Amino acid sequence: EVQLVESGGGVEGPGGSLRLSCAGSGFTFHDYGMSWVRRAPEKGLEWVSGITGNGGRADYADSVEGRFIISRDNAKKSLYLQMNSLRAEDTAFYYCARVGYRDYVFDFWGQGTLVTVFS
Amino acid sequence: SFELTQPLSVSVALGQTATITCGGKNIVTRSVHWYQQQPGQAPALVIYWDTTRPSGIPERFSGSNSGNTATLTISRAQAGDEADYYCQVWDNNHVVFGGGTKLTVL
Repeated sequence: EVQLVESGGGVEGPGGSLRLSCAGSGFTFHDYGMSWVRRAPEKGLEWVSGITGNGGRADYADSVEGRFIISRDNAKKSLYLQMNSLRAEDTAFYYCARVGYRDYVFDFWGQGTLVTVFS
Repeated sequence: SFELTQPLSVSVALGQTATITCGGKNIVTRSVHWYQQQPGQAPALVIYWDTTRPSGIPERFSGSNSGNTATLTISRAQAGDEADYYCQVWDNNHVVFGGGTKLTVL
């Protein structure tokens, strides 16, 4: 059974940093691209960042480019999101998602971890 | 960047058919995927590549894509279908989501 479990969320002040983790199990982790997607309160889904299976390519939404860094450790079957220079608008549930098919289909999602940036 | 437009809300009577649209310029040239997010839960894939249902998704859920509009159709709507629905495409190394549609089953 495919499972994705996020951790690392919490409360931080503006300008602070947090590191999110996502542990994958039940599938060959390095065979799949992964992404982070967030949902802010009263807003819709927003893609944050994605990384290829071997970690060779990473892409970012304009809203986080230069502040967030996505990475992965395939030996540990884990995905990470280093979040720096946090802003109030980064407050959201953060989900990790597996890219299951071409054209960036997210076939499995974690339950999410909450990040709150108080202002 | 590519933009996707969804209605904020759609209402459907119990047992009837709900239609949720996703507008985008010449969207027919893109592969469109749909996700359901119920309150307090993670999103879940319900349609991918315009029309394909993942295993476990009821046949009541179907998709289409033509011209400037992709559509998610939910037949014989049930109370459990009440959720937010999002369309999504891949564009120039970025993922784009529509703004989301809240489906209410009356």
